[in-house]
Amino acid sequence: DSGVTQTPKHLITATGQRVTLRCSPRSGDLSVYWYQQSLDQGLQFLIQYYNGEERAKGNILERFSAQQFPDLHSELNLSSLELGDSALYFCASSVGAGGAYNEQFFGPGTRLTVL
Amino acid sequence: AQTVTQSQPEMSVQEAETVTLSCTYDTSENNYYLFWYKQPPSRQMILVIRQEAYKQQNATENRFSVNFQKAAKSFSLKISDSQLGDTAMYFCAFPNPGNTPLVFGKGTRLSVIA
Repeated sequence: DSGVTQTPKHLITATGQRVTLRCSPRSGDLSVYWYQQSLDQGLQFLIQYYNGEERAKGNILERFSAQQFPDLHSELNLSSLELGDSALYFCASSVGAGGAYNEQFFGPGTRLTVL
Repeated sequence: AQTVTQSQPEMSVQEAETVTLSCTYDTSENNYYLFWYKQPPSRQMILVIRQEAYKQQNATENRFSVNFQKAAKSFSLKISDSQLGDTAMYFCAFPNPGNTPLVFGKGTRLSVIA
C-alpha cells in the first residue's frame, strides 16, 4: 500500500457526460500528479499540482481540468467524455515539487469506461 | 529532452531462473534517481527499486537488483529466482529535472512460466 488513495475504483459512464476523480496523497506529500494509461500503453502525464498551485502540465485535453484543495487532495474533472477517454487514471504523490530526485508513489488507479 | 528506452517489449523466463530487463536513458544531469516500477495484472503501479546515480553501488531489494552503468546510461533490472507473481509489465522511469514528471519507458512485459 503506497498510502495514496483514489476514488472511485471503477467508473462507467456515457459519452458526453462529466465525471470527477478524486485523489488523496500520502501524508506529508505536497505534490499530486495525474496520469492516463490507455489499454496496453505507457503512462501519459496529464498535470501536476504542488501545494495547491499548478506546477506542470502535460498532454492534458482542454476538456479535462484539475485542482488541488487546501487539504491537499486533488480532483480531476473530465467533461464531454468520448469513447477514447476510456482508460486507467492514476494519481501519484511526492514530497517535493519535482527535480532529479523526484520519487513518486502511485495510487491504485480509477478505471474509467465510457460507453 | 530526457528519454528512456526499453528495447525488449516482451520477455519470458522459467520459474526459479534469472532474467534481466534492459533500460537506457539520456540525460545531461549528473545526479538523479532512476526507478523500476512493476505493473501486475491488477494494474497497480508498484515501485520495485530505486538507484541513486551518485552511488557506485548497485541497488538491491531482495530478489531484485540493478546493474547501473552511469557512463553508458544503462540501468538494467535483474530478477533472481523468478516467481509466478513476478509476471507483470515493468517500466523504467527517470525524473525529468527540467520538468517535474517521471519519464517512463514503454515497458517490458515479463511472463514467468511454471
